[in-house]
Amino acid sequence: QQQVKQSPQSLIVQKGGISIINCAYENTAFDYFPWYQQFPGKGPALLIAIRPDVSEKKEGRFTISFNKSAKQFSLHIMDSQPGDSATYFCAASGNFNKFYFGSGTKLNVKP
Amino acid sequence: SAVISQKPSRDICQRGTSLTIQCQVDSQVTMMFWYRQQPGQSLTLIATANQGSEATYESGFVIDKFPISRPNLTFSTLTVSNMSPEDSSIYLCSVVRAHTGELFFGEGSRLTVL
Repeated sequence: QQQVKQSPQSLIVQKGGISIINCAYENTAFDYFPWYQQFPGKGPALLIAIRPDVSEKKEGRFTISFNKSAKQFSLHIMDSQPGDSATYFCAASGNFNKFYFGSGTKLNVKP
Repeated sequence: SAVISQKPSRDICQRGTSLTIQCQVDSQVTMMFWYRQQPGQSLTLIATANQGSEATYESGFVIDKFPISRPNLTFSTLTVSNMSPEDSSIYLCSVVRAHTGELFFGEGSRLTVL
């Protein structure tokens, strides 16, 4: 059973646009929701993370929106740039234990 | 962030051989994980490696195929045994930073089995 469901699988956005990636989870014991960015040939890099006690967290152009009742969270990339083109993974964990990853979204930002 | 070094970064191996991947962390960590990422796919947890105890394997992964060592709090190895082309993947070492719960990854070891 997939613990974290991610969509879309791929996304094409024009430079300057907003990229939105969505994730949903079932396990209410999850208490930590990070997003990772992965470039080809590199390991995933932690981008931004949120805990369920807040509904939104912003770091620069990256924002996580969190809806606890719907068990959903999303990543918004404002003013998307070609350098943001990468694969993005959402994840969830509980008590700093195992991390469950979404299936990934390949983002292509066109110049 | 934690600095995680993996060796080798890539290798091409023959079917039936074994390869050991090393993971070195710049600080002491309690929890260390090994993940597999098949081409174009997500990350799948192979096992959790804790110092001083046997590794805990996820469903579908067994110790005979993926033996793990964790001799101290900064180092671990993963061996991929009796390799087949289906083992061609990126293998990633990761650690959890205490207190924050943040998970950091190494750059990965890209393994191709012919």
